[in-house]
Amino acid sequence: TQLLEQSPQFLSIQEGENLTVYCNSSSVFSSLQWYRQEPGEGPVLLVTVVTGGEVKKLKRLTFQFGDARKDSSLHITAAQPGDTGLYLCAGKASGSARQLTFGSGTQLTVLP
Amino acid sequence: KAGVTQTPRYLIKTRGQQVTLSCSPISGHRSVSWYQQTPGQGLQFLFEYFSETQRNKGNFPGRFSGRQFSNSRSEMNVSTLELGDSALYLCASSREGRTNTEAFFGQGTRLTVV
Repeated sequence: TQLLEQSPQFLSIQEGENLTVYCNSSSVFSSLQWYRQEPGEGPVLLVTVVTGGEVKKLKRLTFQFGDARKDSSLHITAAQPGDTGLYLCAGKASGSARQLTFGSGTQLTVLP
Repeated sequence: KAGVTQTPRYLIKTRGQQVTLSCSPISGHRSVSWYQQTPGQGLQFLFEYFSETQRNKGNFPGRFSGRQFSNSRSEMNVSTLELGDSALYLCASSREGRTNTEAFFGQGTRLTVV
């Protein structure tokens, strides 16, 4: 069974601060996706990383895939209240169908 | 381009009843996956369908079943509902044919079993 450990579980910060969310596994993933979910809604895809060492930037969000493709991080610069939400990482193993293994999520609250 | 559509959005059922949830994938997407999301367990994979065939199944009891139609629309059914089945049920669609296909989720169906 492939597991994704996500940390921290909860994060409450002031507007303007920086933060990093981590997603770790002992398994290798062919790709890893990050989602953000609002209460009562489905997860919205933010980014997909597929190459070890890959770094992708989406405005103030920076995503990195580990060299061994076992871990990933999401860094947010100058967080804003609109960044509040549940951040989920999800990995897809090599050779499997479209099944994604999800981390437990990081609930981020950005206070104005 | 329309996103993934799930119906109904909310549902309240009594223990012992059965329920059917519907999912219409993004046009052109042939793979549909279902997930259950609860506060305690997070997002857990139920099953995946492609071309009307179940291609992958998660670790859920046989009370959970699904099917896919020729137009790629999918339904999932839960029989003999239990209180623990209360959850947000999410459907995700993917386009087949790409190595690292991204999954796009619907808004979910909030099922409450009383």
